[in-house]
Amino acid sequence: DAKTTQPPSMDCAEGRAANLPCNHSTISGNEYVYWYRQIHSQGPQYIIHGLKNNETNEMASLIITEDRKSSTLILPHATLRDTAVYYCIVRVAPGSQGNLIFGKGTKLSVKP
Amino acid sequence: GAVVSQHPSWVICKSGTSVKIECRSLDFQATTMFWYRQFPKQSLMLMATSNEGSKATYEQGVEKDKFLINHASLTLSTLTVTSAHPEDSSFYICSAYPSSGSANEQFFGPGTRLTVL
Repeated sequence: DAKTTQPPSMDCAEGRAANLPCNHSTISGNEYVYWYRQIHSQGPQYIIHGLKNNETNEMASLIITEDRKSSTLILPHATLRDTAVYYCIVRVAPGSQGNLIFGKGTKLSVKP
Repeated sequence: GAVVSQHPSWVICKSGTSVKIECRSLDFQATTMFWYRQFPKQSLMLMATSNEGSKATYEQGVEKDKFLINHASLTLSTLTVTSAHPEDSSFYICSAYPSSGSANEQFFGPGTRLTVL
């Protein structure tokens, strides 16, 4: 699976949009971009995934560049409960039974 | 979404004792479950892949005789830390993929914090 690079930490004001970048320059054509987050002392939580089109669900939006070498996770209106470590993971097609490889992620701190 | 539970949520034990951690998929069946370990301020590290009805596959550097994994049913996998020592103190997390349907995501348990005195 391709390697990802994320900033170690970011701050965001409550109510503002949080934009979390991820670089995955070595991504292959059959690899998807997944985002998970881990709130302190809890198990990771799935957020969203995509291949090449932008995706949106009730939690977030995922913007993938046209060359697919980077992506941005957008939390449109961050709340204090969104404070967590966010992991960008690149892996082969959904439905695969393979494990997830976690990097160091980005620690997002949402401040009042 | 699908729910994965772990029991216990935390455990404190003496050095040399064995500890069993259960991972259950509550509303789906899981042929494959994964066990991760997370030390303070570090990321999750995969320990082993648990397959129902067959032997687990361990990652390099993980002692299979120390971390016993049993996946006897489609809803339950157990991790037993044998002869635990203080360096085994960690946050243990399991995850599972639903066996049926087009699962796009892996579901994680809430984790078990093990402290070995």
